[in-house]
Amino acid sequence: AQKITQTQPGMFVQEKEAVTLDCTYDTSDPSYGLFWYKQPSSGEMIFLIYQGSYDQQNATEGRYSLNFQKARKSANLVISASQLGDSAMYFCAMRGYTGTASKLTFGTGTRLQVTL
Amino acid sequence: DTAVSQTPKYLVTQMGNDKSIKCEQNLGHDTMYWYKQDSKKFLKIMFSYNNKELIINETVPNRFSPKSPDKAHLNLHINSLELGDSAVYFCASTRYGQGQAFFGQGTRLTVV
Repeated sequence: AQKITQTQPGMFVQEKEAVTLDCTYDTSDPSYGLFWYKQPSSGEMIFLIYQGSYDQQNATEGRYSLNFQKARKSANLVISASQLGDSAMYFCAMRGYTGTASKLTFGTGTRLQVTL
Repeated sequence: DTAVSQTPKYLVTQMGNDKSIKCEQNLGHDTMYWYKQDSKKFLKIMFSYNNKELIINETVPNRFSPKSPDKAHLNLHINSLELGDSAVYFCASTRYGQGQAFFGQGTRLTVV
């Protein structure tokens, strides 16, 4: 069974500062993918960044980077130079496989508030 | 061009009614999902379809019946709606084993 744990229900960060959102996972699948999604107050799910379990380098997408530590089973999201528009819920998710079944398992989310 | 579109966006209905939510994706993906997001924002998978075949059914009451007429569509029909069914329902699609899942805008279902 797959499990995603996000231990920070809420975080505050000042504008222009960097912030790290924690995510740990547990799986017995040899191959898996890790994702971060953003959900603003408008409700849509916005894909931010992806890391494959066999990727050697940490993923980066603009101001987002994923700090992937496979041995520790962690996949933390780092947002650099926070902006007011970054205020939202952030979900870590993992994709695993069982035969032809592929599913995304989500963590409970972290609500990020960016302040002036 | 919306990649994954769900209709309706809002649905308010009385207990006991039957309702459907439609989902269509134009990405050529072979895997589609339904997720339920509760009031605490927790996202839980309900169903997964791969090439129109039901692959995952996560202990969802049988009042919920998904239907996939083709690979581009996955609809959700709910019978005898209950107050506890109130939630946001998301449809999503992906190419099996590759890349991100794309989500629809969600359907906020309110049962009164």
